[in-house]
Amino acid sequence: AQSVTQLDSQVPVFEEAPVELRCNYSSSVSVYLFWYVQYPNQGLQLLLKYLSGSTLVKGINGFEAEFNKSQTSFHLRKPSVHISDTAEYFCAVSDQGNSGYSTLTFGKGTMLLVSP
Amino acid sequence: DARVTQTPRDKVTEMGQEVTMRCQPILGHNTVFWYRQTMMQGLELLAYFRNRAPLDDSGMPKDRFSAEMPDATLATLKIQPSEPRDSAVYFCASGPGTDNQPQHFGDGTRLSIL
Repeated sequence: AQSVTQLDSQVPVFEEAPVELRCNYSSSVSVYLFWYVQYPNQGLQLLLKYLSGSTLVKGINGFEAEFNKSQTSFHLRKPSVHISDTAEYFCAVSDQGNSGYSTLTFGKGTMLLVSP
Repeated sequence: DARVTQTPRDKVTEMGQEVTMRCQPILGHNTVFWYRQTMMQGLELLAYFRNRAPLDDSGMPKDRFSAEMPDATLATLKIQPSEPRDSAVYFCASGPGTDNQPQHFGDGTRLSIL
């Protein structure tokens, strides 16, 4: 089974500063990778996904992530954050569940706190 | 824009009561997932279905939790009897059933057991 590590439980940053949220996963085999965002009192929304091809993936709201196979990482970045980016961010990797069908394994999440 | 719909959004009840949470997956999605989110444990996968058949419910406490899909438009998660430690946000997600497609989440049911 896969595991996903989000090293930072909380990342405080000032508005308009750049940010990087780190994600490492356990497997070296081909995987599909996802970043989700959760705003208060809402479900998770897909930010971006890596399936294959270019290692730099662009998502919604100006976010991008870079897949690094050798380091088994999939870090999320944004060059200039807004107050409205304050939310919890989850990294996830596709995994084979007990049934043999695909499930997602999620990291513990990183709370991004943007202040003026 | 297609959405996963969960009801109720909030539920407060006393210990020992039965709780039923409902989920309407996105039309055409054949895979449904139930997750529980708490501060301590994060997101935990409780159970999932494919084409209405339960595939895996090993994440669920079997003695009190049950999950069903009576039809393609409705998934239910029941807790009987409920306990204070069941207090959490329960999310339903649906997907088209292929590895490279993301799951779509509902807004969750916030459950408080007193």
